[in-house]
Amino acid sequence: KNQVEQSPQSLIILEGKNCTLQCNYTVSPFSNLRWYKQDTGRGPVSLTIMTFSENTKSNGRYTATLDADTKQSSLHITASQLSDSASYICVVSGGDYKLSFGAGTTVTVRA
Amino acid sequence: DVKVTQSSRYLVKRTGEKVFLECVQDMDHENMFWYRQDPGLGLRLIYFSYDVKMKEKGDIPEGYSVSREKKERFSLILESASTNQTSMYLCASSFTRGYNYGYTFGSGTRLTVV
Repeated sequence: KNQVEQSPQSLIILEGKNCTLQCNYTVSPFSNLRWYKQDTGRGPVSLTIMTFSENTKSNGRYTATLDADTKQSSLHITASQLSDSASYICVVSGGDYKLSFGAGTTVTVRA
Repeated sequence: DVKVTQSSRYLVKRTGEKVFLECVQDMDHENMFWYRQDPGLGLRLIYFSYDVKMKEKGDIPEGYSVSREKKERFSLILESASTNQTSMYLCASSFTRGYNYGYTFGSGTRLTVV
């Protein structure tokens, strides 16, 4: 069964600090991996998408990495802001219609 | 920007009612999807559609049906709502079947069944 595991489940950081979220997956075959940000009560919004050949991609203060050999990805948030408080979801595509979703990491940024 | 619009942000319905959740996308995407999202479980696929009048079951179709009469509109139907269908429902659409590029979510509908 294709699975996507995210860690930690939640974390609290101080404004201005950095943090890293982890995503491990067993999806095979692999097509692409996406990170989404979901604000409370809203739909997920895409941050990055990486294919097999890409090992890093940035979107402003968000940087995602991918190691397709070990089936691991991370999302690094630099100089966190209060608006970064959200759930971050790792999503893996096996190339067909189906996406496999992680349960998400809830990030709380405190002033 | 691609826009996926869900008709209601919040809904409260009674047990046994027939419930319609509507979703409209404006980018001529072939694929449309309905998910439900519950704490700790992530998103789970209910139904999806590759084309008008086509539908396929996802992982948790029981208690739901769908309708796609026009390419831009995908409706989720709860024939007889039950309390265990209280959840956040998310619609999504995408452009290409093989790689699902441009995968975009709506803002969600929080449904409470009492």
